[in-house]
Amino acid sequence: AQSVTQPDIHITVSEGASLELRCNYSYGATPYLFWYVQSPGQGLQLLLKYFSGDTLVQGIKGFEAEFKRSQSSFNLRKPSVHWSDAAEYFCAVASLVDRGSTLGRLYFGRGTQLTVWP
Amino acid sequence: NAGVTQTPKFQVLKTGQSMTLQCAQDMNHNSMYWYRQDPGMGLRLIYYSASEGTTDKGEVPNGYNVSRLNKREFSLRLESAAPSQTSVYFCASSEGIAGVVGRQFFGPGTRLTVL
Repeated sequence: AQSVTQPDIHITVSEGASLELRCNYSYGATPYLFWYVQSPGQGLQLLLKYFSGDTLVQGIKGFEAEFKRSQSSFNLRKPSVHWSDAAEYFCAVASLVDRGSTLGRLYFGRGTQLTVWP
Repeated sequence: NAGVTQTPKFQVLKTGQSMTLQCAQDMNHNSMYWYRQDPGMGLRLIYYSASEGTTDKGEVPNGYNVSRLNKREFSLRLESAAPSQTSVYFCASSEGIAGVVGRQFFGPGTRLTVL
């Protein structure tokens, strides 16, 4: 069964420091992977996605993520964090086929809350 | 182009009351979803609709019903609300057509409290 693990519930970094949020997935085939961000009181916004091809993908707001098949990981990175990056981040894997009618269904991790110190 | 809209934004119910959460999208998407978000649990899928006229259960469907009224609208109904249904509810939509896995677009959420 598909699943996503985000090992870090809460991460705190100083503004300007680098950031890496971890994500491990379990999926039987080639995964379709996503990172979403949720600012307080808001819905989720897509940061980036990996479908195929180059394993390093660029997203919005200066984020990038690297797909490593051997480690079943899709970690999110940013070289220099801004105070406005404080939010909750969700990794997700998409199910292509599940009982024949669930195209595009996402399985989410439990999220990592990011706090940024000034 | 409003994207995904949800009403209401906030709601307080008493145990046993019923209510319907409304969701609409204007992106001509085939697939629509209802999630609930609880602290430390991430988002869990309640129901989804891969296309107009079809609905399927997700991970946590008990206590809920859905209606895909047309391609734009997907409503979630609580027939007899329970305190365990206190949560933030998100509606989402995606292209989700055959052979394509599309990104999901999320509404702003409905914060529901059941007393």
